[in-house]
Amino acid sequence: GDSVTQMEGPVTLSEEAFLTINCTYTATGYPSLFWYVQYPGEGLQLLLKATKADDKGSNKGFEATYRKETTSFHLEKGSVQVSDSAVYFCALPNSGNTPLVFGKGTRLSVIA
Amino acid sequence: DAGITQSPRHKVTETGTPVTLRCHQTENHRYMYWYRQDPGHGLRLIHYSYGVKDTDKGEVSDGYSVSRSKTEDFLLTLESATSSQTSVYFCAISETANSPLHFGNGTRLTVT
Repeated sequence: GDSVTQMEGPVTLSEEAFLTINCTYTATGYPSLFWYVQYPGEGLQLLLKATKADDKGSNKGFEATYRKETTSFHLEKGSVQVSDSAVYFCALPNSGNTPLVFGKGTRLSVIA
Repeated sequence: DAGITQSPRHKVTETGTPVTLRCHQTENHRYMYWYRQDPGHGLRLIHYSYGVKDTDKGEVSDGYSVSRSKTEDFLLTLESATSSQTSVYFCAISETANSPLHFGNGTRLTVT
């Protein structure tokens, strides 16, 4: 089946640092790709998505570009804040229309 | 926030006892899902439903059963709880198979 691999954490950054969280995928065809974020004590919430190759998803200063040539969907932010501390998950639908498959998550801690 | 309520939020139970977790939605979405979240494993799909009385297994369905007798409720039952089922359980909903998922805030289950 389809799968995603994302970089292991935890990642610790100082405020205003640049963030990259790598995500690569294995899929049949060109599925939509998603990044979800989980803040402490909460469920996951959609951060951004891209529905086709070369699309760029963006939200709250985060961006990710769907790159089919490298099968990647890396999450980036130019200047992180303490409030960005959370766990980030890359996801894609399994083959066909079956439910989302998630990466193992990357915990980000931002220190002031 | 999408109207998803999970109950209970926390539960401690003994090995061998039955446990039922409830997910209730007010969005009238067709699809509902149960995931479990464990350190080192990310989120793993247990079961999902694509309509009333229509359910299917996920990757970690052994030891779990589900029921969906009406659109708004999706129940997850552990027939005989084991310590390996200690986890945080998340319910999610989506409008279509390819729509983003909306998550509840989770149920923390401890099996002693």
